[in-house]
Amino acid sequence: EAGVTQSPTHLIKTRGQQATLRCSPISGHTSVYWYQQALGLGLQFLLWYDEGEERNRGNFPPRFSGRQFPNYSSELNVNALELEDSALYLCASSLKLTGENEKLFFGSGTQLSVL
Amino acid sequence: QQQVKQSPQSLIVQKGGISIINCAYENTAFDYFPWYQQFPGKGPALLIAIRPDVSEKKEGRFTISFNKSAKQFSLHIMDSQPGDSATYFCAGGSNYKLTFGKGTLLTVNP
Repeated sequence: EAGVTQSPTHLIKTRGQQATLRCSPISGHTSVYWYQQALGLGLQFLLWYDEGEERNRGNFPPRFSGRQFPNYSSELNVNALELEDSALYLCASSLKLTGENEKLFFGSGTQLSVL
Repeated sequence: QQQVKQSPQSLIVQKGGISIINCAYENTAFDYFPWYQQFPGKGPALLIAIRPDVSEKKEGRFTISFNKSAKQFSLHIMDSQPGDSATYFCAGGSNYKLTFGKGTLLTVNP
């Protein structure tokens, strides 16, 4: 069974540009989470999508947005890129069952570098 | 607001020794406490998790100790091996969301 896949692996942008990151969850998983992993800051919760709807949002500005498609894959968009957006962006999926909904399976991430 | 505080930031242990990583949380709504292991270039992978209705959970060489009244929990790695060298994250979970600590870089010397 394939795990969570993310693309691209690396992305280099310049300040002010837009970045689009993609995620395919494990087959059968309906929930997709996005986390930002910046150096020394651990994993910061960005967004949670389930069944195509945004369910929860972390403490990030509105230029961080995303969506979930009918096949449960997801896209994270970051507009007006700033230098401090440079980080590893991790996508995770989970199977929304009682007692299992917080069990996250992570992809390997997209390393975004803003120059 | 950092809701999960993790220590130490880094840890060096000799092969065969015991590695201990501690976490403290503030949010009493947390009802799920996992530990994730992350190797360089990879995403975090679930290692072991505990619910607050038990005080200890053991899986192989990995044990979580949980103290609800103190709002603290810890990961113990017995007989640490060089292959255990990785970054470890604790987290608290509620409402379908995990809040992570900042991570501990564990190095196990041969």
